[in-house]
Amino acid sequence: KAGVTQTPRYLIKTRGQQVTLSCSPISGHRSVSWYQQTPGQGLQFLFEYFSETQRNKGNFPGRFSGRQFSNSRSEMNVSTLELGDSALYLCASSLDGRGLGELFFGEGSRLTVL
Amino acid sequence: KNEVEQSPQNLTAQEGEFITINCSYSVGISALHWLQQHPGGGIVSLFMLSSGKKKHGRLIATINIQEKHSSLHITASHPRDSAVYICAVSFTDKLIFGTGTRLQVFP
Repeated sequence: KAGVTQTPRYLIKTRGQQVTLSCSPISGHRSVSWYQQTPGQGLQFLFEYFSETQRNKGNFPGRFSGRQFSNSRSEMNVSTLELGDSALYLCASSLDGRGLGELFFGEGSRLTVL
Repeated sequence: KNEVEQSPQNLTAQEGEFITINCSYSVGISALHWLQQHPGGGIVSLFMLSSGKKKHGRLIATINIQEKHSSLHITASHPRDSAVYICAVSFTDKLIFGTGTRLQVFP
């Protein structure tokens, strides 16, 4: 059974640019959640998608957005990048979501903003 | 005050020692997760608990809902257990994370 796949693994952007990250969940999982990890703030919840609908959102500005497709693959987008957006972005898939089921994490996308 | 507090922040042990990592939380939760993160970033889910105790191999996780406290125990620790252990609670359908406990086990 294939695991959770995140692409790209590493990327470098400059301030003001935008970035799109992709997450392919485990087959059969309808929930995809996204997290940001930084040395200063640790792991923080960004948002969760379930069956193409955003079910919940963390305390991040509107520059952070996402979507989920009918095959459960999810993308997150960050517009007008700031230096502080440099982080490891992780996604996790689960059967039911809401933090109530076992989570399966991808390896993450490491974003550096220059 | 953080909603999820972990202790200790750093822990070193000799191979074979019994390890305990603690997690306290201040909100009503639906579930609690213990996660393991190795250098390089990958996170593995170890346990999800809503009550009682779970055991998997050398790992044991317990939760006391009344006291809002959970512990992760590692018996007969091994250098391959060296990692960051993170407690996360499900609150209002979101996960809130502790700051993690960095464990180093020396041979």
